[in-house]
Amino acid sequence: DGGITQSPKYLFRKEGQNVTLSCEQNLNHDAMYWYRQDPGQGLRLIYYSQIVNDFQKGDIAEGYSVSREKKESFPLTVTSAQKNPTAFYLCASSLVRDRGLKETQYFGPGTRLLVL
Amino acid sequence: AQSVTQLGSHVSVSEGALVLLRCNYSSSVPPYLFWYVQYPNQGLQLLLKYTSAATLVKGINGFEAEFKKSETSFHLTKPSAHMSDAAEYFCAVSDPGSARQLTFGSGTQLTVLP
Repeated sequence: DGGITQSPKYLFRKEGQNVTLSCEQNLNHDAMYWYRQDPGQGLRLIYYSQIVNDFQKGDIAEGYSVSREKKESFPLTVTSAQKNPTAFYLCASSLVRDRGLKETQYFGPGTRLLVL
Repeated sequence: AQSVTQLGSHVSVSEGALVLLRCNYSSSVPPYLFWYVQYPNQGLQLLLKYTSAATLVKGINGFEAEFKKSETSFHLTKPSAHMSDAAEYFCAVSDPGSARQLTFGSGTQLTVLP
């Protein structure tokens, strides 16, 4: 089955620790995205990437880092600089058509990050 | 710049009653519009999308939405609510030529009463 997988489903972070959330897709999508979801605030964009080895900051990139070494993978690292990391993190991907037009975004099942 | 406003963070309906979830948008370019549904502790699932074709869009699970340019609205409706419709619903607007693509509303939690 084609789709987007995120792991782990739950992740616990200790003070001062960096943690990495995995996102993998086998849809052959070009663009990938990371969102943070907090209750009552909808989804906020952290980082996005349109092609391999290139990515841009979203609205709330501080305290996060990403890499895009492979088309299928877009891992997100939550660094110790992110002081309030407790949230639900969603990864998404979409095709990119000619002239850069984006197709519909499809979402993974999410990772819930909790601070110990 | 784009923005989305979802009126009503919580909506309750009785089973079998009409579901109406409101979404208004602002966009400087002809937008694409989306409704997504989220069940607890899960990702977002696409319900339907408007991409400048027919203004009345039919989606999955009996939902539909109508794009009204004059009212800058894209309200989601379903004639008869089912218990399984209880979830959170997100409206989103897109500038299809933008790398960022989607801007989300803050969501509406739908409760279906027996």
